[in-house]
Amino acid sequence: DAKTTQPPSMDCAEGRAANLPCNHSTISGNEYVYWYRQIHSQGPQYIIHGLKNNETNEMASLIITEDRKSSTLILPHATLRDTAVYYCIVRVAESTDKLIFGTGTRLQVFP
Amino acid sequence: SQTIHQWPATLVQPVGSPLSLECTVEGTSNPNLYWYRQAAGRGLQLLFYSVGIGQISSEVPQNLSASRPQDRQFILSSKKLLLSDSGFYLCALNDYNSPLHFGNGTRLTVT
Repeated sequence: DAKTTQPPSMDCAEGRAANLPCNHSTISGNEYVYWYRQIHSQGPQYIIHGLKNNETNEMASLIITEDRKSSTLILPHATLRDTAVYYCIVRVAESTDKLIFGTGTRLQVFP
Repeated sequence: SQTIHQWPATLVQPVGSPLSLECTVEGTSNPNLYWYRQAAGRGLQLLFYSVGIGQISSEVPQNLSASRPQDRQFILSSKKLLLSDSGFYLCALNDYNSPLHFGNGTRLTVT
């Protein structure tokens, strides 16, 4: 079973920030939070990951709460091309641990 | 950079026919390799993973098998396809320098 819970769907207006929440209350001390997205009919695309500090890259920002039981992926200026299913996953970094995907959040960006 | 080659992109096969899907990777050595399946409208299910040549771990009992004859080659097979084998098959890799990276997948329809 997936170790994370996410809302099934969200809407966001183009140009606005999209904030996608994820709960991972049973996360272990050595587990990272990973975010992927899957655009229809394509393989999942890695977005970002973090352990306990907030992270930012060219695609998104990741905010992890101090107790590490939840996190938020932020797309600062959503575009129509950001419409996708977003998956939040916890695992030990770069290990052979199984990467278990939940059902994710379907983000719809509208004009 | 790491590259995953999967072919074919789409495949239509009759029930009872054999299957062989090949995945080859570049830009890495001794990677962990994975086969995932996504049924229509469903999440990603881990089928097999491999940490080295000839080493295969199966996650779910099923009509499929996997082999890793070379370091950068991962093959998914079936002797007799079932209707329930239809889905989107994704090969993925990671090593100790990178998060999990997915190929573009093969969409299999069993008729």
